Amino acid sequence: EAGVVQSPRYKIIEKKQPVAFWCNPISGHNTLYWYRQNLGQGPELLIRYENEEAVDDSQLPKDRFSAERLKGVDSTLKIQPAELGDSAVYLCASSLGAGGHNEQFFGPGTRLTVL
Amino acid sequence: GQQLNQSPQSMFIQEGEDVSMNCTSSSIFNTWLWYKQEPGEGPVLLIALYKAGELTSNGRLTAQFGITRKDSFLNISASIPSDVGIYFCAVAGGTSYGKLTFGQGTILTVHP
Repeated sequence: EAGVVQSPRYKIIEKKQPVAFWCNPISGHNTLYWYRQNLGQGPELLIRYENEEAVDDSQLPKDRFSAERLKGVDSTLKIQPAELGDSAVYLCASSLGAGGHNEQFFGPGTRLTVL
Repeated sequence: GQQLNQSPQSMFIQEGEDVSMNCTSSSIFNTWLWYKQEPGEGPVLLIALYKAGELTSNGRLTAQFGITRKDSFLNISASIPSDVGIYFCAVAGGTSYGKLTFGQGTILTVHP
């Protein structure tokens, strides 16, 4: 069974440019998460989807970040415009449901470098 | 906000040695998790703890959920080179159902 798929794996852009990350969760997983992991830190949740609904986006910087999960399957996270401080690894995770004993499975991440 | 204090930040050990790391919180949590992350990969769940006082093993790994529900430790026995990686504790629940909060991680280096 395929795990969580993310693309691209690496992205280098100049500041003020837009960038988008794509995630395909494990088949059948209704809950999808986007995390940001700064160097030397643990992942921090940006947004959580239950099917196509964003149920927790309190940590998403909404002035420049947006996300969508239109059909409740794959998801896109966008930054526009990117800033130097956005350099990080962006991780996508999925689970059968939220909370409880539902394990979150993580993808390999997209490493973003903003120059 | 919620914060986990994980220690030590890094460990350099010889192959065959035992390892211990711990995580504390100022708040009570009902689920404690331990993850391992290798370079270029996402975190992978090692052990999940759901009951205060619970002691759970997974091969050479043993983790305990503190009785106060504010701490947990992870032990690795007889370390091997492939144990190298970053180990994170995480808690689930609290005020945000389904949200994981991670510690800062412990970087483990094992010398052959």
